[in-house]
Amino acid sequence: KQEVTQIPAALSVPEGENLVLNCSFTDSAIYNLQWFRQDPGKGLTSLLLIQSSQREQTSGRLNASLDKSSGRSTLYIAASQPGDSATYLCAGRQGGSEKLVFGKGTKLTVNP
Amino acid sequence: EAQVTQNPRYLITVTGKKLTVTCSQNMNHEYMSWYRQDPGLGLRQIYYSMNVEVTDKGDVPEGYKVSRKEKRNFPLILESPSPNQTSLYFCASSLAYGGLNTQYFGPGTRLTVL
Repeated sequence: KQEVTQIPAALSVPEGENLVLNCSFTDSAIYNLQWFRQDPGKGLTSLLLIQSSQREQTSGRLNASLDKSSGRSTLYIAASQPGDSATYLCAGRQGGSEKLVFGKGTKLTVNP
Repeated sequence: EAQVTQNPRYLITVTGKKLTVTCSQNMNHEYMSWYRQDPGLGLRQIYYSMNVEVTDKGDVPEGYKVSRKEKRNFPLILESPSPNQTSLYFCASSLAYGGLNTQYFGPGTRLTVL
């Protein structure tokens, strides 16, 4: 059974810092991994989707990597801004299923 | 605009009073699902649908029903709500079951059962 873990649960950084959010999963037979952003009281916004055959995906200041052999994904945020403050969730999808297994998220606060 | 919509966004009800949370998507997606989000437990899947008239249980289906009579709609039904169903509910959709697809989420419905 796939389990997804995100550490730390919360992170506070000063504006402008580059940072890495971590996601680990137990079953390496992962089909893809998706990173989401959730703002307080809001829904989930998809940030990046990495297929199992890919190593990384980039969108603007965001770069996500996937290492199936080690069971890890990272989300790199460059030059962080206060507007990046949100909870970041990673979710893994197994082959043969559309179900996403979510981590519990990392709450990021970027201080001006 | 491509989106997943949910109604209502907020609902306070009492134990045992049947309710329906609607979900609709305008992207012609085949796959739709419902999740609930609880503090300390994260998001867990309740039910999913691979296409019209095809539904199946997720991880926490007890106390819920769904139907998929039209491709765009996937309502979540609580026949007799209980306080342990107080939660934040999300509907999601993706293009097709088994594809290399991003899942899109609705804005959420915050349900309180007294």
